[in-house]
Amino acid sequence: GAVVSQHPSRVICKSGTSVKIECRSLDFQATTMFWYRQFPKQSLMLMATSNEGSKATYEQGVEKDKFLINHASLTLSTLTVTSAHPEDSSFYICSAIGRSNEKLFFGSGTQLSVL
Amino acid sequence: AQSVTQPDIHITVSEGASLELRCNYSYGATPYLFWYVQSPGQGLQLLLKYFSGDTLVQGIKGFEAEFKRSQSSFNLRKPSVHWSDAAEYFCAVYGQNFVFGPGTRLSVLP
Repeated sequence: GAVVSQHPSRVICKSGTSVKIECRSLDFQATTMFWYRQFPKQSLMLMATSNEGSKATYEQGVEKDKFLINHASLTLSTLTVTSAHPEDSSFYICSAIGRSNEKLFFGSGTQLSVL
Repeated sequence: AQSVTQPDIHITVSEGASLELRCNYSYGATPYLFWYVQSPGQGLQLLLKYFSGDTLVQGIKGFEAEFKRSQSSFNLRKPSVHWSDAAEYFCAVYGQNFVFGPGTRLSVLP
């Protein structure tokens, strides 16, 4: 089946630094990618939707200057958490849809801890 | 390591029939459990979740799920399926991290 690779799986960084998370579709072309965030004991929260070659669409309340999303190719989307703060510590997961537009495939997630 | 299995890749039911989608998980403790639905070309919508308490959980759109610790299962049910329920359904588990099952596609016959 289709595979989505997300990297890194875990990152610890200092407050004020930026962190980049990569999401790659390994064997299909991902026309749309979704980025989610999950707080402890809660469900996933959709942060943004990105279509290849165009700007991401952010959900209400998500700071687009804080969470930079780039979907420059059909196999790669990146989420950059800029000037990270402890409140940005969370679990981030990406998912992708291919040209068949039928099914989501999920990355394995990234646990971000900001000290 | 935790894992989630959904044994049925594709299920077809007639409209009005009952539905059960299976989900089994592997985790050392009791995890948080979720069911999501994905309509074609769209993102996820949360149907229901289990954190603790009553093991029978009610969700949106008439869905319910039952947590059975002895079977490590969290099966999703609906007594009467509607054509609009045709979608992809994902079971997810949160223990150490968030893990999704591979999904079950539901087709509904008129």
